[in-house]
Amino acid sequence: QSALTQPRSVSGSPGQSVTISCTGTGGDVGLYNSVSWYQQHPGKAPKLMIFDVSQRPSGVPDRFSGSKSGYTASLTISGLQAEDEADYYCCSYAGSYTLIFGRGTKLTVL
Amino acid sequence: QLQLQESGPGLEKPSETLSLTCTVSDGSISSSSYYWGWIRQPPGKGLEWIGNIYYSGSTYYNPSLKSRVTLSVDTSKNQFSLKLTSVTAADTAVYYCARLYRIGGYYFDYWGQGTLVTVSS
Repeated sequence: QSALTQPRSVSGSPGQSVTISCTGTGGDVGLYNSVSWYQQHPGKAPKLMIFDVSQRPSGVPDRFSGSKSGYTASLTISGLQAEDEADYYCCSYAGSYTLIFGRGTKLTVL
Repeated sequence: QLQLQESGPGLEKPSETLSLTCTVSDGSISSSSYYWGWIRQPPGKGLEWIGNIYYSGSTYYNPSLKSRVTLSVDTSKNQFSLKLTSVTAADTAVYYCARLYRIGGYYFDYWGQGTLVTVSS
């Protein structure tokens, strides 16, 4: 079970949009519409930002959106704000009640 | 608001067994909509799923850790626990417990604050 592939880092200026990709296989991202995204600030626990590919939990700004095409899921953050600077992790269901995380992406707001 | 709190030793010696407990507050561990999971994060590295347990005791483990991991649940105390045997320095990590929604999709919606376990002699 190898980790899902994410870019190590992305960056953008305030107000811009950035997209973080998460590439898996036909046994996880490509097979199930059960991809979630988590935001993690330094020293803090991860926070759920997107579930079921594109659904936002209550309280998460609509600047955060998710999508999926084939084996790749994506998290897009529009109207970047300074507080969006964090690490982001994707997670996919991989069958047989197992889950797999991505390696994480560090978002820098310039 | 549901709360999860990890507890256990912060230091383990190599070859020993790491034991952690997660206490669930303001919610029932016996809900049919959720599993209860453990995730770890080595210092400066990414998240790794360890395993999930259902209130009935059904367990599901990461294949890479399966031979060393045991999850258990105590519904009377609203707690679930992790045991990891034969630990090495590579098991040094922040260990998180979390609630995993399981109906139609799978995602961790509530997390504990995490507890650092260091493996060192």
